[in-house]
Amino acid sequence: AQRVTQPEKLLSVFKGAPVELKCNYSYSGSPELFWYVQYSRQRLQLLLRHISRESIKGFTADLNKGETSFHLKKPFAQEEDSAMYYCALSGHNTDKLIFGTGTRLQVFP
Amino acid sequence: DAGVIQSPRHEVTEMGQEVTLRCKPISGHNSLFWYRQTMMRGLELLIYFNNNVPIDDSGMPEDRFSAKMPNASFSTLKIQPSEPRDSAVYFCASSLASLAKNIQYFGAGTRLSVL
Repeated sequence: AQRVTQPEKLLSVFKGAPVELKCNYSYSGSPELFWYVQYSRQRLQLLLRHISRESIKGFTADLNKGETSFHLKKPFAQEEDSAMYYCALSGHNTDKLIFGTGTRLQVFP
Repeated sequence: DAGVIQSPRHEVTEMGQEVTLRCKPISGHNSLFWYRQTMMRGLELLIYFNNNVPIDDSGMPEDRFSAKMPNASFSTLKIQPSEPRDSAVYFCASSLASLAKNIQYFGAGTRLSVL
């Protein structure tokens, strides 16, 4: 079964602390993995995708096929990073995205 | 482009009433998705269309829910009759499947409250 698991509903850190939002997936094949973010009063939007291998707003995510994980990391959290983060998965033959249940990141000053 | 446009932004209705949510995708996009967001279950895909044709409706909860896409620039999600457990935020998203595959652009959502 295709599934995305985000084990933490809420992650709270202080400004400047490292952040890691966990994402594990279940998929038979080679999926595409994404992180979407929803800031307060804004639309859900793409943050990054694994095939781009890019860093956006200081965030990076590495696809670990052995551990079936796609954790989102940032070395130094900022207050403006506070948002809801969703990990998502897609197969190569479909436009469909399967989302995890999301993790709310709170960054305190 | 104004992005994906959803209406209404908020809807409050009584149990048993019909509810219609509307979505205008980004011009030129050929895939459209309807999602439901709740605290407990997160973001769930209800149905998606490709070139106006329903491709996967396995996420539609039950027969009370229906969705249509009569043309490339408009889609509706209807709940009839509505129930309190349908209260959630409903999102519409669109994408251009041939380029930047699977990058979906979301609307602002419709917050539905069924009393």
